[in-house]
Amino acid sequence: DTGVSQDPRHKITKRGQNVTFRCDPISEHNRLYWYRQTLGQGPEFLTYFQNEAQLEKSRLLSDRFSAERPKGSFSTLEIQRTEQGDSAMYLCASSFGPQDTQYFGPGTRLTVL
Amino acid sequence: QQQVKQSPQSLIVQKGGISIINCAYENTAFDYFPWYQQFPGKGPALLIAIRPDVSEKKEGRFTISFNKSAKQFSLHIMDSQPGDSATYFCAATSTNAGGTSYGKLTFGQGTILTVHP
Repeated sequence: DTGVSQDPRHKITKRGQNVTFRCDPISEHNRLYWYRQTLGQGPEFLTYFQNEAQLEKSRLLSDRFSAERPKGSFSTLEIQRTEQGDSAMYLCASSFGPQDTQYFGPGTRLTVL
Repeated sequence: QQQVKQSPQSLIVQKGGISIINCAYENTAFDYFPWYQQFPGKGPALLIAIRPDVSEKKEGRFTISFNKSAKQFSLHIMDSQPGDSATYFCAATSTNAGGTSYGKLTFGQGTILTVHP
């Protein structure tokens, strides 16, 4: 199966620590998206990349969040100085282009104690 | 701002029954409306999608009905099965470059479907 993969699947951290998540999209997919999903809610858009360029960031993405896609392949999402409100499922999706289906990974569930 | 409203929050049907989930949107720039299915511990998976140039799309037991003038669309699951028990999300996006929603999915709040055997 060559779908979208995310690592780690679960992360438990203490408030104030930094965490980094990785997303490997489907190969040859140019677009990569990050979404956040809290319990009982639909996913909310955070940011997206077209190849290595980060084209848009949501207002939900505070200065503590940074995302990169250095070679237009995998992407990382880092959260600095984590807060309890950051606890959520972080989903990555990829697509061949903006008009194509977005395929989601299994997500990384973050718990901030 | 909640741009896609989904109802009901939860739905219980008997095996063989019809499940109906409704969504309404506000942004007239939206022109692509997918439905995603999500099982616990998994990411959302595309189920079926529609563009506003048609009023209905059917794939197997799943049908989307679309009402452009009312800005509403719905998912019908015929002959519902216990394996259909999952959370369903409607979503919307704009596929026209230059729009603020270009390529980004805006999701509804989700409907937890339970199909009893």
